[in-house]
Amino acid sequence: KAGVTQTPRYLIKTRGQQVTLSCSPISGHRSVSWYQQTPGQGLQFLFEYFSETQRNKGNFPGRFSGRQFSNSRSEMNVSTLELGDSALYLCASSFRTSGGADTQYFGPGTRLTVL
Amino acid sequence: AQTVTQSQPEMSVQEAETVTLSCTYDTSESNYYLFWYKQPPSRQMILVIRQEAYKQQNATENRFSVNFQKAAKSFSLKISDSQLGDTAMYFCAFRRAQGAQKLVFGQGTRLTINP
Repeated sequence: KAGVTQTPRYLIKTRGQQVTLSCSPISGHRSVSWYQQTPGQGLQFLFEYFSETQRNKGNFPGRFSGRQFSNSRSEMNVSTLELGDSALYLCASSFRTSGGADTQYFGPGTRLTVL
Repeated sequence: AQTVTQSQPEMSVQEAETVTLSCTYDTSESNYYLFWYKQPPSRQMILVIRQEAYKQQNATENRFSVNFQKAAKSFSLKISDSQLGDTAMYFCAFRRAQGAQKLVFGQGTRLTINP
């Protein structure tokens, strides 16, 4: 089974621009979660999408948004980029059973640099 | 809110030695999941081991085992017969059993295996 894939792997943007990152989950997985990893703040949860609906959201400003398509692929968008948005953005997928006994599997990440 | 603490920012051992990484967490939940992930220099987050809080038996995966002390809210990872390929950042993570797929991560322990 193919793993979680993320595109692009690297991005360089300038302040004020917007960016869209893509994540394709493992086949059969219906939940996609996004995390931001920075040296200062560590790994922080951004949001989770399941069945095309945002289920949970972390403590990030409204500039961070996402969506999920019917094939479970997800995109996240960051508008009006700031220097502090430079980070590794990780996507994770899981099946999301009703009992909650799921494990999240991560993609390789997208390295975003904001200049 | 749940918190996860890893008190060892860095550790270094010789190849073939046994090493234990510490993790404590704080939660009022009675049922939850705990994970250890490793992140090698490639930045790919890889699941090492998972523990269900309702199970008293400690999880093991080949050379990796945990010491789960629910009352003490402690979840340490033991790596036996360490190998050069074990060199990585190791993250302890917590997730509630129901609902949110949100993982709460510790700050990580940088483990170096020396030849």
